[in-house]
Amino acid sequence: KAGVTQTPRYLIKTRGQQVTLSCSPISGHRSVSWYQQTPGQGLQFLFEYFSETQRNKGNFPGRFSGRQFSNSRSEMNVSTLELGDSALYLCASSSAGTSGTETQYFGPGTRLLVL
Amino acid sequence: AQSVTQPDIHITVSEGASLELRCNYSYGATPYLFWYVQSPGQGLQLLLKYFSGDTLVQGIKGFEAEFKRSQSSFNLRKPSVHWSDAAEYFCAVGARTGNQFYFGTGTSLTVIP
Repeated sequence: KAGVTQTPRYLIKTRGQQVTLSCSPISGHRSVSWYQQTPGQGLQFLFEYFSETQRNKGNFPGRFSGRQFSNSRSEMNVSTLELGDSALYLCASSSAGTSGTETQYFGPGTRLLVL
Repeated sequence: AQSVTQPDIHITVSEGASLELRCNYSYGATPYLFWYVQSPGQGLQLLLKYFSGDTLVQGIKGFEAEFKRSQSSFNLRKPSVHWSDAAEYFCAVGARTGNQFYFGTGTSLTVIP
């Protein structure tokens, strides 16, 4: 099986712009989670989508949003970019699960630099 | 509130030496615990996980971890470190309600030849 893929791998944007990141989960996986990874904060949970519905949400401002398509592919969008949004954005997929027992499989991430 | 603490930001060990990476968690119930490893430019790979039962769990690449409820800890160990183990290691707690995970800030491991 192919792993989790994320596109693009690298992005450079300027403050005020918006950006869309894409994640294709492992075939058959219906849950997709997004994380922001920064040196100071580590991995922080953004949100999780399951069957096209946002099931869980972390503590991020409304500028961060996401969606999931019927094929389980997911996108996250960040509007009005700020310098502090520079980070590695990781996507993880898991089969289904309604508890924290599911193994999450991570993609390589999209590195976003905001200038 | 759920949280995970990895007290060691960076650890350096010699190849062949033993390794222990510390992880402490805060969670209201019996947690689901995970250790992940991240190599440079890569995503996270699951090393091992604990849900219940035997408190000593074995993982891939020769790693093991022990769950100690009394100490709220889930430390990762390896008897003999290889140069290829140099990476960033993350401990995580999975919430019992909802597919949500809380990660520590990571421990960076350097292996000296």
